[in-house]
Amino acid sequence: EVQLVQSGAEVKKPGESLKISCKGSGYSFTSYWLVWVRQMPGKGLEWMGIIYPGDSDTRYSPSFQGQVTISADKSISTAYLQWSSLKASDTAMYYCARLLSNTFDYWGQGTLVTVSS
Amino acid sequence: QSVLTQPPSVSAAPGQKVTISCSGSSSNIGNSYVSWYQQLPGTAPKLLIYDNNKRPSGIPDRFSGSKSGTSATLGITGLQTGDEADYYCGTWDSSLSAWVFGGGTKLTVL
Repeated sequence: EVQLVQSGAEVKKPGESLKISCKGSGYSFTSYWLVWVRQMPGKGLEWMGIIYPGDSDTRYSPSFQGQVTISADKSISTAYLQWSSLKASDTAMYYCARLLSNTFDYWGQGTLVTVSS
Repeated sequence: QSVLTQPPSVSAAPGQKVTISCSGSSSNIGNSYVSWYQQLPGTAPKLLIYDNNKRPSGIPDRFSGSKSGTSATLGITGLQTGDEADYYCGTWDSSLSAWVFGGGTKLTVL
């Protein structure tokens, strides 16, 4: 069974750094692209970027380029999304999802990030 | 402002049929496959329709998808209260080199 299990909710202060994770199981982790999607409170879905864990090839949405870093450790089937300096506007739910051809077929349960002083 | 345009809300009675539209352009829907996702309250999105009109295993045939030109439509028949959710369309945009979503449509089953 394909599963994407994300790390737990985080509460951080502005300016702090953060790295959240997404662990894949039940499939060949290195053979599928993984995406990160942001959902701000009460808002829609926004694609942030994508990584191919097989070789760590990474692409970013222009809206998020330079704002976050996406990485992966294929030895432990885990992808990461990190911030070096959080802002209040980063408060959102973050989802990872697997890309299958033209669609996102499996999604993680989400990680809620709250940034507040 | 989302690249793909969906109505903010739709509603219908139990047992009835509803359609949700998703409008785009030649750089996205016009040249790419469309997917639909269902997001039940407080949960992660779930794939409902892919490649315009295909259903993943386990999705009932009450859900259907179609595409014509630069627009796509999700249809739901035999509405149930459990269908109350937000529905999102999504596709690849070749001009933006980005995956894009509609703003979402909230379905209320009255």
